[in-house]
This record gives sequence, C-alpha cells and structure tokens, in this order.
Amino acid sequence: AQSVSQHNHHVILSEAASLELGCNYSYGGTVNLFWYVQYPGQHLQLLLKYFSGDPLVKGIKGFEAEFIKSKFSFNLRKPSVQWSDTAEYFCAVSRMDSSYKLIFGSGTRLLVRP
Amino acid sequence: DTGVSQNPRHKITKRGQNVTFRCDPISEHNRLYWYRQTLGQGPEFLTYFQNEAQLEKSRLLSDRFSAERPKGSFSTLEIQRTEQGDSAMYLCASSPSGQGGNTIYFGEGSWLTVV
Repeated sequence: AQSVSQHNHHVILSEAASLELGCNYSYGGTVNLFWYVQYPGQHLQLLLKYFSGDPLVKGIKGFEAEFIKSKFSFNLRKPSVQWSDTAEYFCAVSRMDSSYKLIFGSGTRLLVRP
Repeated sequence: DTGVSQNPRHKITKRGQNVTFRCDPISEHNRLYWYRQTLGQGPEFLTYFQNEAQLEKSRLLSDRFSAERPKGSFSTLEIQRTEQGDSAMYLCASSPSGQGGNTIYFGEGSWLTVV
C-alpha cells in the first residue's frame, strides 16, 4: 500500500535557523507531491507542489522542496525560519489515477522560538 | 473568499446518535473528497466523488458512514450510531478535474466529539 513517512514529528528551532523536514513515500509509479501547512486554528493550506519539470520547486513564504526520484523523497526547506512559521506541516502524495486523492504523512509540528 | 465551506464547525453528540456534516465545495470543482483527521495524525482519505458519482471509498468508511453528493454540488457525510472512536475532525476538500491532477483545497473541517 502507498504510504508517506515524515521522520520528524516535532521540531523546535530558534528564529533565523534553517529548516529541513524530511518526507519519503513508497510508490513506484508517477506521483504528484505536495506540502501543506496548518497554522494553529486554521485549515490546511498548500505550501507548494510538484507535478513535473524542475525538481526544485519554490512555494509561498520562502519555502522550497526538492524531489529526488531515486530516493523517493520530497524534503521541505527554508533557509531562515520566522516565529510565524510555527505550524504543522504535512507532506502528501497523489497517484496519477482517476481520483488523484492525497495520501498524507503524519505531520511535523514545528515550533519556532522568537 | 468562496473557499470550501463546512458546517457545523463543531458537533458534540451522545454515543448512538446520528450526525450529518455538510460540505459546499468551491464552485465548479468536480472532484470532492472527505477525509478524517485525529490528533497527531495526518488526514486519512475516506471517500471521493466525481460530480455526483461516488467513485472510491476507503476501508475506513464503515457501513455506519454514508456520503452523498446528490446534484454534484454540495455533499453530506452522515455517521449513524456514533461511537467514541468516531471523534475526529472531518475534512472536506475539492479540486477541479483535469488530466494530471490539480491542487486540492481544504475546508476548515467539522469537529466531532462523541461523549
């Protein structure tokens, strides 16, 4: 069965530190890849997505992610975090089938200390 | 902002009661999804509609759960004879159809607490 693994469940950083959140998926076919963010009390919002083309994708708020097909990975990065980045981050994968439903990882809670 | 709208936002119900949640997707989005999210977990897929047709159901969707999208617009998710294990946030999402997939937009969710 298809699955998504996020290895870091909780991350605590100080402002201006660099961030990298790991995401690996298990599916051998063609996939679309996503990172969603959930700020406290808010709904899931799309940070960035990869469908095809340049494996380094840039999203909102200075986030980027790199798709490494050989490693089945789609890690999220930000060079310098801010207190406002405190949130839960979800990696998700969808297969190229009729529903394109998302399969989510378990999420990473990020706390940024001011 | 005409995003995905869900109601009620919060529902507390006694075990054994039935509950129904409503989702209004973004206008003209053909695809509609229901997910369930519990604390500390990512959203889990429940079911998918393409217009009014329910095309996929997860094994998580027991026979106490039923979802409809009668006219291909809004959708309802009903849980019959609720159990404490049904306590979760129920998320609705929608996307336009099209080859290759599209961004899926989520609503704010409906919190269910079964006491």
